[in-house]
Amino acid sequence: TQLLEQSPQFLSIQEGENLTVYCNSSSVFSSLQWYRQEPGEGPVLLVTVVTGGEVKKLKRLTFQFGDARKDSSLHITAAQPGDTGLYLCAGATLRGTYKYIFGTGTRLKVLA
Amino acid sequence: GAGVSQSPSNKVTEKGKDVELRCDPISGHTALYWYRQSLGQGLEFLIYFQGNSAPDKSGLPSDRFSAERTGGSVSTLTIQRTQQEDSAVYLCASSLGAGHQEGSPLHFGNGTRLTVT
Repeated sequence: TQLLEQSPQFLSIQEGENLTVYCNSSSVFSSLQWYRQEPGEGPVLLVTVVTGGEVKKLKRLTFQFGDARKDSSLHITAAQPGDTGLYLCAGATLRGTYKYIFGTGTRLKVLA
Repeated sequence: GAGVSQSPSNKVTEKGKDVELRCDPISGHTALYWYRQSLGQGLEFLIYFQGNSAPDKSGLPSDRFSAERTGGSVSTLTIQRTQQEDSAVYLCASSLGAGHQEGSPLHFGNGTRLTVT
């Protein structure tokens, strides 16, 4: 069974602080995505990383895909209350079936 | 509508009853996925469709769970003889699917919250 473990599971920080969320697996993925989910809604895609070692920036969010394509991180600079939500990583398997395995999730709360 | 639509949004049923959950994907999306989410945690993969066929149904928890997709569009997830542990939010997603750019995004509906009493 392929598993994607995220850490930390919960995170409560003050506005303006920086944070990093980790997504780790023993499996290799062809691509990895990060989603954010708000209560009562489905997850919404933030970014897709495909190449090992790739770094993508989306405003205050920086995403990195590990060299071996087994892990990823999400770094948020100067967090704002609007960043509050459930962050999920999702890895696409290599078998060509476009099956996405989701991580265990990180619930972030940014306090004003 | 332009997005993925799921119905009903909420369903309360008695233990032992059967339920059907419906998903209308984005038009033109050949791939369709069902996931289950408990208590705001991560998503548990249930089944994946490419067109009308299901190359991977390995995530279905038991033979009480089944899903079908017709016309390459609408999908129905059926749970027979529901149990309390089936209570969760059931999410459907669609994407452009095989043959398209690696990492095509999944577009999710807002889910069906199932409560088995």
